Amino acid sequence: DAGVIQSPRHEVTEMGQEVTLRCKPISGHNSLFWYRQTMMRGLELLIYFNNNVPIDDSGMPEDRFSAKMPNASFSTLKIQPSEPRDSAVYFCASRLDGVIGTEAFFGQGTRLTVV
Amino acid sequence: LAKTTQPISMDSYEGQEVNITCSHNNIATNDYITWYQQFPSQGPRFIIQGYKTKVTNEVASLFIPADRKSSTLSLPRVSLSDTAVYYCLVGDKGGRRALTFGSGTRLQVQP
Repeated sequence: DAGVIQSPRHEVTEMGQEVTLRCKPISGHNSLFWYRQTMMRGLELLIYFNNNVPIDDSGMPEDRFSAKMPNASFSTLKIQPSEPRDSAVYFCASRLDGVIGTEAFFGQGTRLTVV
Repeated sequence: LAKTTQPISMDSYEGQEVNITCSHNNIATNDYITWYQQFPSQGPRFIIQGYKTKVTNEVASLFIPADRKSSTLSLPRVSLSDTAVYYCLVGDKGGRRALTFGSGTRLQVQP
């Protein structure tokens, strides 16, 4: 398996534009996480899906952020409209829940810059 | 979720053993302790996981005392490439709970 795949790796956009980040989890994993990382706030959990259903979205900063998981192999994180304070590295991770010995696997991240 | 406390940073030299301790006073009976490593510009990577006593793999050892209120990650003979941020997490193993990271410990290995 190629691991968790995120796209794009880098994104530069202007304030006010819509941004969509994409994630393909590891095949067979049933949980998916979106994180945001900045120097100031560290690694923040945004949302956690289990079996394509959002279980915990308490970390989603505000209504400008939305996440979807239409099927087990794809998820998106959308920011509309984007703001400079959204600039960060966004990570996606997947895990096989309900099985002993599982660990989360992270993608390489998407570095978002909003100017 | 059990809260974890780790030192913000540590310094070491190549070849030394490094021990990073994490406090988790409110750990629950079903909780396991997991450590992740993160290099700059990369996502965190699983290192080791344990429930009690000692666990060892090819990368590190994890020591957990009987009361499980703390744990120590031990890295033998560190090299420059071990410079990274190390995170301690507490949660039920394989359970349907979110994975929440604390501030981590920034380890700097000097030549």
